[in-house]
Amino acid sequence: AQSVTQLDSQVPVFEEAPVELRCNYSSSVSVYLFWYVQYPNQGLQLLLKYLSGSTLVKGINGFEAEFNKSQTSFHLRKPSVHISDTAEYFCAVSSSSGNTPLVFGKGTRLSVIA
Amino acid sequence: DAGVTQSPTHLIKTRGQQVTLRCSPKSGHDTVSWYQQALGQGPQFIFQYYEEEERQRGNFPDRFSGHQFPNYSSELNVNALLLGDSALYLCASSLVGVSYGYTFGSGTRLTVV
Repeated sequence: AQSVTQLDSQVPVFEEAPVELRCNYSSSVSVYLFWYVQYPNQGLQLLLKYLSGSTLVKGINGFEAEFNKSQTSFHLRKPSVHISDTAEYFCAVSSSSGNTPLVFGKGTRLSVIA
Repeated sequence: DAGVTQSPTHLIKTRGQQVTLRCSPKSGHDTVSWYQQALGQGPQFIFQYYEEEERQRGNFPDRFSGHQFPNYSSELNVNALLLGDSALYLCASSLVGVSYGYTFGSGTRLTVV
């Protein structure tokens, strides 16, 4: 079974500053890793995913994440945030072998301050 | 191309009642998964349907049941509602065997009073 720990429940950051949202996972098998964003009263939108290959993954809206197998981490970064990035961000994991469900972390609330 | 469609968007039910939520998957997808997202929490996996059968199930009681129709659409039924069932219920569709291709709907907000 897999599990995900998002180390920060809330991250306030000033507009145009960089941000990193931390995610660690646990799994005994190879995994796929994901970051989703959820705006108020909406569903989940995929930001980016790691399946294999390059450990640096680029996603939408200027976000990127780096897969670190030795540290079992998949931290999300953006070099310069905007007010519109204010949202809830979820890290998720699934097994790469089979149709396993996504397992989500508890989320990190990113608040961008003007 | 329509994505995942869920209905209704909101509903209010009384404790002890039963509720049915509906989901139409993205075109070309054949697998539907349901998640419960309580306030301030991450989504929790309820179950997954493929070929009209429940294939995987999370840690949810039997009060939660589902169905998948031949056109791949799905229903989530919850019986004997409890206050703790209040949550956003998310439907995700995918292709069988492709565990990286989930598309989520906007969810149904259920409030139990």
